[in-house]
Amino acid sequence: ETGVTQTPRHLVMGMTNKKSLKCEQHLGHNAMYWYKQSAKKPLELMFVYSLEERVENNSVPSRFSPECPNSSHLFLHLHTLQPEDSALYLCASSQGDRHTDTQYFGPGTRLTVL
Amino acid sequence: GQNIDQPTEMTATEGAIVQINCTYQTSGFNGLFWYQQHAGEAPTFLSYNVLDGLEEKGRFSSFLSRSKGYSYLLLKELQMKDSASYLCAVLDSNYQLIWGAGTKLIIKP
Repeated sequence: ETGVTQTPRHLVMGMTNKKSLKCEQHLGHNAMYWYKQSAKKPLELMFVYSLEERVENNSVPSRFSPECPNSSHLFLHLHTLQPEDSALYLCASSQGDRHTDTQYFGPGTRLTVL
Repeated sequence: GQNIDQPTEMTATEGAIVQINCTYQTSGFNGLFWYQQHAGEAPTFLSYNVLDGLEEKGRFSSFLSRSKGYSYLLLKELQMKDSASYLCAVLDSNYQLIWGAGTKLIIKP
């Protein structure tokens, strides 16, 4: 247990579906992150939120829409995804948004797009 | 471009020692992380090196040579539970984390 939870753990969706991934951290951290992890590829940073404000958006397609209603919760809204979006989506949090701060990861959501 | 290289997969025997290498070419350097990730689980922090040399933490040690753009993670007295992927990540001059693809370590009895 890292103090970061993600739901659902597994998700299968069609290309026309709308779904949301949820992340919650119980560590009192101020920064939260979404990553995409594909097989045998490096982690890809998607979004960074610091004190509920989006501070980084790394050229992610608009079919991925993040939301951070408070410093403990982070969502990733999914709409009209493509099969190549199938991957493990990891959420992480850290004390501050300086990347020297250790990141604590959730177990991820395994997403399959049909 | 920025690049992190680490072997895709390694195999070692229970009780033995294994060294997982990571080489990097990045625009600047502000530290190097090692994370462990068991299959289907969250990556967990192992070490952070910013100065040259060896840092030991129990059975795990991490080494850094900034002049060579090189790090390794040394695992001693291997246990079956050490079977996992080991991720190397470097902080560049803009404090962006550049991740390697990870090394899958298989421990055999």
